[in-house]
Amino acid sequence: GNSVTQMEGPVTLSEEAFLTINCTYTATGYPSLFWYVQYPGEGLQLLLKATKADDKGSNKGFEATYRKETTSFHLEKGSVQVSDSAVYFCALPNQAGTALIFGKGTTLSVSS
Amino acid sequence: DAGVIQSPRHEVTEMGQEVTLRCKPISGHDYLFWYRQTMMRGLELLIYFNNNVPIDDSGMPEDRFSAKMPNASFSTLKIQPSEPRDSAVYFCASSYDVLERGDTQYFGPGTRLTVL
Repeated sequence: GNSVTQMEGPVTLSEEAFLTINCTYTATGYPSLFWYVQYPGEGLQLLLKATKADDKGSNKGFEATYRKETTSFHLEKGSVQVSDSAVYFCALPNQAGTALIFGKGTTLSVSS
Repeated sequence: DAGVIQSPRHEVTEMGQEVTLRCKPISGHDYLFWYRQTMMRGLELLIYFNNNVPIDDSGMPEDRFSAKMPNASFSTLKIQPSEPRDSAVYFCASSYDVLERGDTQYFGPGTRLTVL
């Protein structure tokens, strides 16, 4: 079945540093890919998504490109802020295309 | 729209008690999902509904868990009797269509359940 693997955290960065969180997937076909973010004490929010190969999702300065050659959907941001401190989840649909399968989450901590 | 609404936000109960979690999906969304988040297992799907009908409950851990959706704007997840290992954050999510058709699931703020 479909699965997703994302890099283990925590990731600790200084403000204005470059961020990469790796995510690779295994899937039948080319499903949509998602990044969700969970701020401390809050629920999951959709950060960005890409629905087909070579699509780039972007939001709030974050970007991720759907690369079928490397089965990857890495999350990047050129200059992180303290307010970006959160847990980031990579996700894709299950094989039935109904529910989401999540990675284990990567905790990002940004200090000023 | 107010987004997905869950109540209560926090619940503390004693082992053996009945717990009921509530969810109001986004208006017009035909799909409703219940997920559970724990440190050990991460985020996992418990059950989902389409047009108020349970479609896949294979993720429900055991008979102590039950979920209902009596109408398009309300769902409950009940645990009876509750056990300490049920302590987790329970999320409700909804969507207009299924993910394979390019749709997105929107999550509520979650209910943090602690069973003592």
